Amino acid sequence: DTAVSQTPKYLVTQMGNDKSIKCEQNLGHDTMYWYKQDSKKFLKIMFSYNNKELIINETVPNRFSPKSPDKAHLNLHINSLELGDSAVYFCASSPSGWPSYNEQFFGPGTRLTVL
Amino acid sequence: QQQVKQSPQSLIVQKGGISIINCAYENTAFDYFPWYQQFPGKGPALLIAIRPDVSEKKEGRFTISFNKSAKQFSLHIMDSQPGDSATYFCAASMGQAGTALIFGKGTTLSVSS
Repeated sequence: DTAVSQTPKYLVTQMGNDKSIKCEQNLGHDTMYWYKQDSKKFLKIMFSYNNKELIINETVPNRFSPKSPDKAHLNLHINSLELGDSAVYFCASSPSGWPSYNEQFFGPGTRLTVL
Repeated sequence: QQQVKQSPQSLIVQKGGISIINCAYENTAFDYFPWYQQFPGKGPALLIAIRPDVSEKKEGRFTISFNKSAKQFSLHIMDSQPGDSATYFCAASMGQAGTALIFGKGTTLSVSS
């Protein structure tokens, strides 16, 4: 059983399109995250949600909008895709109790290519 | 401003040797320091982590050494194996649930047989 899953694994699309990436975790965690890994493999936080409430919203263009329908799901919708959005997007989750709340478990990633 | 600096960028080690990767941080509010291992096409996997109340933590062949006064921590991989060849990331975070992991830029480790 996959702990943190993402769909799709690969996403190829044209500039200007709107796309969504879905994330689900079956670990019973309360907190979920989106990270972006650029072409140089640098990982950077985009958003985090705790119990469906937005906790972190880094300086990400407002074309990116996270949505958490319930604690087990955190989706990422991207409007008007640009070439610079090409990257690998990782979903992660963590428990909320001490001392494990820092332990983040990552999904397999979604490679987004904007043409 | 990069809050977590990682070195070296790449590392080649002979099978059976010791791999050492170093990280330095700036923010003294950080209280959790994990290392992640990432294979090509996969997500980062939590390898080992330490909090600043201890100076060393060992799990199997992997050891974290932590120097609070110097604001540095390192990963030692003993008896390195070809299967350890991957990209390793140090990270730091603080506070409560939902806070971000701040990552170093990664080290690509190649273990030659």
